[in-house]
Amino acid sequence: GAGVSQSPSNKVTEKGKDVELRCDPISGHTALYWYRQSLGQGLEFLIYFQGNSAPDKSGLPSDRFSAERTGGSVSTLTIQRTQQEDSAVYLCASSPGTGETQYFGPGTRLLVL
Amino acid sequence: RKEVEQDPGPFNVPEGATVAFNCTYSNSASQSFFWYRQDCRKEPKLLMSVYSSGNEDGRFTAQLNRASQYISLLIRDSKLSDSATYLCVVKGDSWGKLQFGAGTQVVVTP
Repeated sequence: GAGVSQSPSNKVTEKGKDVELRCDPISGHTALYWYRQSLGQGLEFLIYFQGNSAPDKSGLPSDRFSAERTGGSVSTLTIQRTQQEDSAVYLCASSPGTGETQYFGPGTRLLVL
Repeated sequence: RKEVEQDPGPFNVPEGATVAFNCTYSNSASQSFFWYRQDCRKEPKLLMSVYSSGNEDGRFTAQLNRASQYISLLIRDSKLSDSATYLCVVKGDSWGKLQFGAGTQVVVTP
């Protein structure tokens, strides 16, 4: 079946612009996660959605970052007023439920000039 | 101190040889442990879970030492295709938030 998909695969933007990154989880997966990975670094947790529960936003690095998940499926991560330090690969993962194996999408490579 | 620490490597391994490396974690209450594999410019993929009694999956063996708070991965009869970065992953609580190490790079050479 189809895996987790993310778009765009690459995004180049200018400092100060807003960007939206999209994630389509595996159909039927109730849990959705956003991570980011800077060059040569481990994955940094950003935000977690589970069903209709309030998301866990504890990993968002600043109030410029926000995320939504509509209808329990597609999620959008928005970064406002991008900064050069936001440059990273943004990875989305989904799992059938809480605590189960997470399946990752291919990521969006964001470069802020 | 990072919650999950790994030797970044690279571990240069001749084809057919055995390589092993560890990962330490700081949260003694951690519940679940995994090894993920990440190829260059690709997403992480689950390699194997790590069980308390240790477990094997083909040429891969994972061990957990709760007393010393580390897990290990051993790769036997290394293949060129084993070249990748191996991420140590720890789940600290019930809902599934994963803590990732920065990864150990393994390079298998002919």
